[in-house]
Amino acid sequence: DVKVTQSSRYLVKRTGEKVFLECVQDMDHENMFWYRQDPGLGLRLIYFSYDVKMKEKGDIPEGYSVSREKKERFSLILESASTNQTSMYLCASSHRELWVNTEAFFGQGTRLTVV
Amino acid sequence: GIQVEQSPPDLILQEGANSTLRCNFSDSVNNLQWFHQNPWGQLINLFYIPSGTKQNGRLSATTVATERYSLLYISSSQTTDSGVYFCAGSMYSGGGADGLTFGKGTHLIIQP
Repeated sequence: DVKVTQSSRYLVKRTGEKVFLECVQDMDHENMFWYRQDPGLGLRLIYFSYDVKMKEKGDIPEGYSVSREKKERFSLILESASTNQTSMYLCASSHRELWVNTEAFFGQGTRLTVV
Repeated sequence: GIQVEQSPPDLILQEGANSTLRCNFSDSVNNLQWFHQNPWGQLINLFYIPSGTKQNGRLSATTVATERYSLLYISSSQTTDSGVYFCAGSMYSGGGADGLTFGKGTHLIIQP
């Protein structure tokens, strides 16, 4: 079974803290993604990566950065957490064939509250 | 980017009923998926269906790529089918990866 594992289910952080959300996949997938989900706004893409050390901005990258030092691990970093970053964060991975990104699989999600 | 529209936004049915959920795309996609979000927030994969028809038990899906829409059918609904159903798609044109664009979801409630 494909497994995408996020390091925490629930996280509470203080405003101004540096926050790391970790994601690990065990399927040797090339692509990894970070989304956030908010009521009324749906799921939105923050950042993605198609290879080690490669990263691309998604639709809402402001206030976030990412790191991919190993193929199986993709980290989302909140440099200075703010209350408007309170959200559900979802990590995903997928395999890339020639001209198609195949089925994406998601982790269990991390509910982050910034107080 | 691609726009994804799902309908209906909300659906309330009695147990045993059948339902059809629809997803329209503003542009062509070569990656299309249906998900069910469980009460704990995890997205469960239902179908990867860029084109054609697939079935899995009481669920089936059809994508008509040329007309840019997909349908999810749920037959003989059970209370455990309740939750939010998302469709998502992307058009990968080479180079790096491309993330999925999600619809706003259909919130399905199955009453006993």
